Parts: sequence; C-alpha cells; structure tokens
Amino acid sequence: AQTVTQSQPEMSVQEAETVTLSCTYDTSESDYYLFWYKQPPSRQMILVIRQEAYKQQNATENRFSVNFQKAAKSFSLKISDSQLGDAAMYFCAYRSKGSGGSNYKLTFGKGTLLTVNP
Amino acid sequence: NAGVMQNPRHLVRRRGQEARLRCSPVKGHSHVYWYRQLPEEGLKFMVYLQKENIIDESGMPKERFSAEFPKEGPSILRIQQVVRGDSAAYFCASSPGQLSLNYGYTFGSGTRLTVV
Repeated sequence: AQTVTQSQPEMSVQEAETVTLSCTYDTSESDYYLFWYKQPPSRQMILVIRQEAYKQQNATENRFSVNFQKAAKSFSLKISDSQLGDAAMYFCAYRSKGSGGSNYKLTFGKGTLLTVNP
Repeated sequence: NAGVMQNPRHLVRRRGQEARLRCSPVKGHSHVYWYRQLPEEGLKFMVYLQKENIIDESGMPKERFSAEFPKEGPSILRIQQVVRGDSAAYFCASSPGQLSLNYGYTFGSGTRLTVV
C-alpha cells in the first residue's frame, strides 16, 4: 500500500518570502499522480498543483512550484512571494495511475499547517 | 456553476443517534467519493459510488455506516448509532467519469460531525 509522509506539522513564513513544504511517499508503482491540496479555515479542499510521475519537468502554477525527485520519492511544494491568503493546511496526496485496481483513491499525508506572518 | 454541495455544514448528534450527511455533486457528475478526516489527520477514502451502484466501499467501517447515490437526488452517507469516535469532518468529491481523474476531482467543503 502507498503511504504519504509530511514531516513538518507546522511551518511559518514571512509575507513576501519563500517557503518549501516537504512530502515523501512510498510506492512500488512506476507511474502515478501527485497532488498538493490547500485547506483554508473554510475547510474547502482546493487543488494547488499536480504532477504526473512520468513527466520529468516540475509542475508550476504561478507562485507555486514543485520539486519532484522520483528516485528519492520526494515531492516538495515551494511557495514564492508568500501572501497572507496562503495561510492554510497543505496536504500532499498520491494517486495510482494503473488501469486496474483502485486508481480513483487519493492517499493523503497528515498535512502541514502554514502560517504567514505580516 | 455550483460545485459540490454538502449539507449540513455542521451536525451535532448524541451518542446512539443517526447521522445523515448529504452530498450533491457537480451538475453532470455521476461519480461520488466520500472521505473522512479525523482530527489532525489527512483525509482517508471511505467509499466510491456511481449512480445506483457502490463501486468500492473498502474504506468504510463494516458496521453502522452505509452510503447510497440514487438515480435522483443527492448521495447520502448514513451513520447509525453514532459514537464519539465518529466525530470527524466528512468530505464528498465528485467527477464526471474516469477520464477526469487525471486531474483530481472536485471536493465539497465537508460536514463536521460532532458526537456528544
């Protein structure tokens, strides 16, 4: 079974600075998807960024980018020019891509609570 | 263009009562997924339903929990005889079909169940 580990329960960053959230995972599969979700106090789960394992290029969405190291099974999220609205719980998630089995399930880490200081 | 709608947003039940959580998927979506988030944990898969069918309920406790997604109306997650350990946030997500899973699915804002 796949597992996702987020080793930083809490992180803080100054407004306009850069912060990196860590995520590692364990899988025996070669092709899969990885996601970062943001959960603000409203509880809404918001997709921030996604990565396909077979793509070498790291995904980027505006101020959000990932550092995907497939061999190390690491998928960190970098937030540049942090804004007060970035304060939230961030979850890393894994999804299998296989044609059979439970490729619709997301496996989540326990989350990292990000505080943005003005 | 409404997203996934869950109600109620907050639900308080006494031990032994029943809890019914509703989920209306995005219009046109025929696949629904329920996840549970225990305090200080990530979301965990419970059940996957298509219209009138349960596809995978491997993450749902065998007793007291049931889910349905009828031909008409919202998906319902039902918890009978609730206990304190059922206190959690319950999230629903939907997708139009398998192909859309390439990009994740759309989550609702969850129902926070508190058992007193």
